[in-house]
Amino acid sequence: GAGVSQSPSNKVTEKGKDVELRCDPISGHTALYWYRQSLGQGLEFLIYFQGNSAPDKSGLPSDRFSAERTGGSVSTLTIQRTQQEDSAVYLCASTPRTGGIYNYGYTFGSGTRLTVV
Amino acid sequence: GQNIDQPTEMTATEGAIVQINCTYQTSGFNGLFWYQQHAGEAPTFLSYNVLDGLEEKGRFSSFLSRSKGYSYLLLKELQMKDSASYLCAVSYNFNKFYFGSGTKLNVKP
Repeated sequence: GAGVSQSPSNKVTEKGKDVELRCDPISGHTALYWYRQSLGQGLEFLIYFQGNSAPDKSGLPSDRFSAERTGGSVSTLTIQRTQQEDSAVYLCASTPRTGGIYNYGYTFGSGTRLTVV
Repeated sequence: GQNIDQPTEMTATEGAIVQINCTYQTSGFNGLFWYQQHAGEAPTFLSYNVLDGLEEKGRFSSFLSRSKGYSYLLLKELQMKDSASYLCAVSYNFNKFYFGSGTKLNVKP
């Protein structure tokens, strides 16, 4: 696609439920990143993919968080048993390749605003 | 992460010049980006510095001193639309960036 697409744009869920957030990167971009941004805070790195592999999962806050990427394209971030502290905007970004961030920067999607009530 | 520090908020007048500073931990540094983020929107790329010196791009310029762990973003001829948060992001390896908390810039008429 022309840009990074994320869905849903907004999600309200009850505490304890599982949620899935989807990211569709720019076509041909091999590197994909998940960040989250809590209200008034900076971006917190969660995980990045190179192709379908996730060389760096160091930012995932707990084992309730997992992510996968299939076909080198769409990625899904899953949060199990959601907690109120999971409420944040989840941003996805892609670049042509990991080295490409120096030439292109990240292209971010518009994010998914997750609210856990 | 990585002690990336920026002022929380700044206010400046339309038409003026403003400098937003960013300091970071120097060990393992690879590169530094600046992003602009309007409220409720995704960050957009502004500039990128790897070597020391000033990179100029229209009304925006970004400076880097690797030895001092210091960068600044300079915005000239401020416009009301420049009211946004400005995020400093630093790479310590070749696959991801750590972001500062951002500087909220308020431009007054």
